[in-house]
Amino acid sequence: QVQLVQSGAEVKKPGSSVKVTCKASGGSFSSYGITWVRQAPGQGLEWMGRIIPILGTVNYAHELKGRVTITADKSTSTAYMELSSLRSEDTAVYYCARVGIASRAMDVWGKGTTVTVSS
Amino acid sequence: QSVLTQPPSMSAAPRQKVTISCSGSSSNIEINFVSWYQQLPGTAPRLLIYENNKRPSGIPDRFSGSKSGTSATLDITGLQTGDEADYYCGTWDNSVNAWVFGGGTKVTVL
Repeated sequence: QVQLVQSGAEVKKPGSSVKVTCKASGGSFSSYGITWVRQAPGQGLEWMGRIIPILGTVNYAHELKGRVTITADKSTSTAYMELSSLRSEDTAVYYCARVGIASRAMDVWGKGTTVTVSS
Repeated sequence: QSVLTQPPSMSAAPRQKVTISCSGSSSNIEINFVSWYQQLPGTAPRLLIYENNKRPSGIPDRFSGSKSGTSATLDITGLQTGDEADYYCGTWDNSVNAWVFGGGTKVTVL
């Protein structure tokens, strides 16, 4: 059974960047996509973007376009999400999830990475 | 303001039924699959329903989904205390070429 293992918690200064990793353990995501979702404290889920490595396509949420970059390394079954020009409002738990190409449903989730932006 | 509209909260007694609505539009729910997610306190979301009405293995048949036009619903029957969680609907939106989530519904078991 595939598990998604995310990198550890980060504390960042405003204006800096953060890169979160998501590695598929026990399988690959070659036939799937990887999506990134974040959740600010006490708030709902916010979709950030997705990558479909087998198709080479990437989509981003309009609100984050220009600040977020999602990439993937098929050889290591690892996906990355980099968010730049951090601000306090980016403080959140960041999740990666495997997504079906046809169903677009997120069927396997990582445990989340807490990113805190504070001066 | 979420693209998909869900009631912020719902409550019911144990063994009762809860129906959570998710209202969208012709660019999202009407033409794309809807999925539902359960998020227990302090944990990552979990897929409950995909492709409008299918359950992944391990999800009890107390959870069921349906879709009609621009709306979708999640039914939870035989409510249990362990069902207290936040529930989110989601689908692709062709007008913005992005995934959209509902604002979430907090279910409380009385």
